[in-house]
Amino acid sequence: QVQLQESGPGLVKPSGTLSLTCAVAGDSISSSYWWSWVRQSPGKGLEWIGEIYHIGITNYNPSLKSRVTMSIDKSKNQFSLKLTSLTAADTAVYFCARRTSQPIFLDNWGQGARVTVSS
Amino acid sequence: AIQLTQSPSSLSASVGDKVTITCRASEDIRSGLGWYQQKAGKPPELLIYDASSLKSGVPGRFSGSGSGTDFTLTVSRLQPEDFAIYFCQQFNSYPLTFGGGTKVEIK
Repeated sequence: QVQLQESGPGLVKPSGTLSLTCAVAGDSISSSYWWSWVRQSPGKGLEWIGEIYHIGITNYNPSLKSRVTMSIDKSKNQFSLKLTSLTAADTAVYFCARRTSQPIFLDNWGQGARVTVSS
Repeated sequence: AIQLTQSPSSLSASVGDKVTITCRASEDIRSGLGWYQQKAGKPPELLIYDASSLKSGVPGRFSGSGSGTDFTLTVSRLQPEDFAIYFCQQFNSYPLTFGGGTKVEIK
């Protein structure tokens, strides 16, 4: 059974940078899956942030693309999200998830990391 | 980006009822749609993929149908554990997008 676990600070300052990591257990980060980030806030519902493949290919949501960077650490079997220039609108629960290639769906999710942007 | 409009946004139903939720896409997404169930404090869990394929382990009272722009999730006989929020998500094109959710409450 695949398990994903997000980690990172729960409180970040406006204009700062959010850094989250997702540790993967029960599967190799180099397998044939895409590793995704999704966030959920009361105001905007569920929002797909983007995804990364183990060879470094990324797909980002255009609405966030200028502020997002995703990376993979094969040695630690984990992947990461950086989101810059934070505002209160970035306050949300951030989920990491595994995306299958064919058929396509998000089949395993982490429990979520609550992030608040506030001074 | 493709917009997904779910209806209703909430509904009240009783155990044993048949419940139908719809998801309409702003453009043709063929069969590239999934349905998720989310309970309080938990991540979404996949129920249906490719519009009508039931994920292994999901009870048979859940079913999905549709293609193109109009899709439906049906729960044939609502059980106590089915009271939750349901979301659709399209996988046909980037960016992947979600519907606004349908909250199923106990009547």
